[in-house]
Amino acid sequence: GENVEQHPSTLSVQEGDSAVIKCTYSDSASNYFPWYKQELGKGPQLIIDIRSNVGEKKDQRIAVTLNKTAKHFSLHITETQPEDSAVYFCAAPSNRSSGSARQLTFGSGTQLTVLP
Amino acid sequence: DAGVTQSPTHLIKTRGQHVTLRCSPISGHKSVSWYQQVLGQGPQFIFQYYEKEERGRGNFPDRFSARQFPNYSSELNVNALLLGDSALYLCASSLWTGLNQPQHFGDGTRLSIL
Repeated sequence: GENVEQHPSTLSVQEGDSAVIKCTYSDSASNYFPWYKQELGKGPQLIIDIRSNVGEKKDQRIAVTLNKTAKHFSLHITETQPEDSAVYFCAAPSNRSSGSARQLTFGSGTQLTVLP
Repeated sequence: DAGVTQSPTHLIKTRGQHVTLRCSPISGHKSVSWYQQVLGQGPQFIFQYYEKEERGRGNFPDRFSARQFPNYSSELNVNALLLGDSALYLCASSLWTGLNQPQHFGDGTRLSIL
C-alpha cells in the first residue's frame, strides 16, 4: 500500500517570501499527486495536481514539481500572502483498500503561517 | 454551480447510538468517497461509491456502512458509536473512479461523541 510522508509539519514565512512543502511516497505505481489547502472549519480544497507524465506544473503563484525516480513531489508557493495561511495536504493514490478503487492516501499536513 | 454539500454540519451523539451523514455531490459527478479526519491528521479513506456500487473500502470496522442513491447522493452510517469515532467526516465527489480523477471535498460533518 501507499505511504505518504510530508515535511515540515509547521512552516512560518514572512509575507512575500516563498514556501516549500515536500512529500515522499512509496508506491512506484502512483501517477497522480494532488495538493489540498484546508482552512479552519472548512473541507480540503484542491489547489493543484500533477500527473506522472510531467515534471512540473504551475498555476499563478503555486507550482508543483515531481521526481518519479526519487518518489517525491513538492509544493512551491511564491510571494506568499497572509491568506495563504492554512494547513496543506499532499496525497497519492493507493490501492490499500479492498475493491477496485484506488483511494487517496494523505500526508499528515503542514501548517503554513504567513507573517505580515 | 454548487459544490459538494454535506449535512448536518455538526452533530453530537452519545456512545452506542447510531448516526447517518448525508452528502450531495457536484452536479454531474457520479462517484462519492467518504473520509474520516481526526484532529491534527490527514483524511483517512472509508468508502468509495460509483454508480450505486461500493468500489473501495478502507480499514474501518463493519459498524461503518454507506450507500449511494440513483441521484448519486450518498449516506454514511455508523452504528454503535464509540468515543474514538469523534472526527470530521468528509465527503468528496469526482466524475468517476478513474485513477487520476480530481476529488472535490465538502466542508464535512463534525461528529462529537460524548
